[in-house]
Amino acid sequence: GAVVSQHPSRVICKSGTSVKIECRSLDFQATTMFWYRQFPKQSLMLMATSNEGSKATYEQGVEKDKFLINHASLTLSTLTVTSAHPEDSSFYICSAQPGQRSYNEQFFGPGTRLTVL
Amino acid sequence: TQLLEQSPQFLSIQEGENLTVYCNSSSVFSSLQWYRQEPGEGPVLLVTVVTGGEVKKLKRLTFQFGDARKDSSLHITAAQPGDTGLYLCAGPSGGYQKVTFGIGTKLQVIP
Repeated sequence: GAVVSQHPSRVICKSGTSVKIECRSLDFQATTMFWYRQFPKQSLMLMATSNEGSKATYEQGVEKDKFLINHASLTLSTLTVTSAHPEDSSFYICSAQPGQRSYNEQFFGPGTRLTVL
Repeated sequence: TQLLEQSPQFLSIQEGENLTVYCNSSSVFSSLQWYRQEPGEGPVLLVTVVTGGEVKKLKRLTFQFGDARKDSSLHITAAQPGDTGLYLCAGPSGGYQKVTFGIGTKLQVIP
C-alpha cells in the first residue's frame, strides 16, 4: 500500500520550454502532496505544499509563477516548470500523505530527473 | 524551523560490519521518521518513532528515539551491500503536515 508514481522518470528539454511532471497516489487518496527538489549529494528541499482543491503554498525563495502546481484531484498533483533554464536541472520528487497523518509521514514517488539543455 | 543534524555524513564499511548513524536536534520532536533513498529513487519510509526511549526493529535495523525526543539513532547489524543508500531522518516542522529533513548519511557497504 501507499504507492506513489511519478511521470516521466526522466526528461530532457530545451531552454525556454515548459515541462509538466505528474505525481499520482495509486492506492490511496492524498489530501496533501509535496514537491521537493534535490541537488546532487544534498538532502531534499521542500518547494511547495499542494492541497487538493486549493492553491499551493510555496516555500520562501520558490517562484510560484515558474513552478506551477495543480492538485486537481485526491490522487493527482502536477508540477509544471515554465520557461525552463539549465539551472532548473535537478531531481524533482513528490510525496503524498494519506489523509490526516498524526506523524506527518510521507510516501514518495520515484522522482523525475530534469535536464535542461 | 527545527533543524536535524545527521552524522556521520559519509560512511564506508565492509560487508558484515555493524554501524550506527545519528540524528540530533536541539528541539523536541513529537515523532521522527527514518527513510532510505537509493540513487535515482525517491526516499522509502523505514520507520516512525513516537515515544521517548522507544526502540523499533526492522530485521537487522534497530531504531531508537532518545528519552528527551531530541535525537534518534539507527543501528545496522551485519551490514550488507543492499543496505547501501542515503539514510534520512525527518520530523514534523511546524507547518501544515510538513516535515524537515536532515542532510542524510550516505552509507556504502563494500562486498
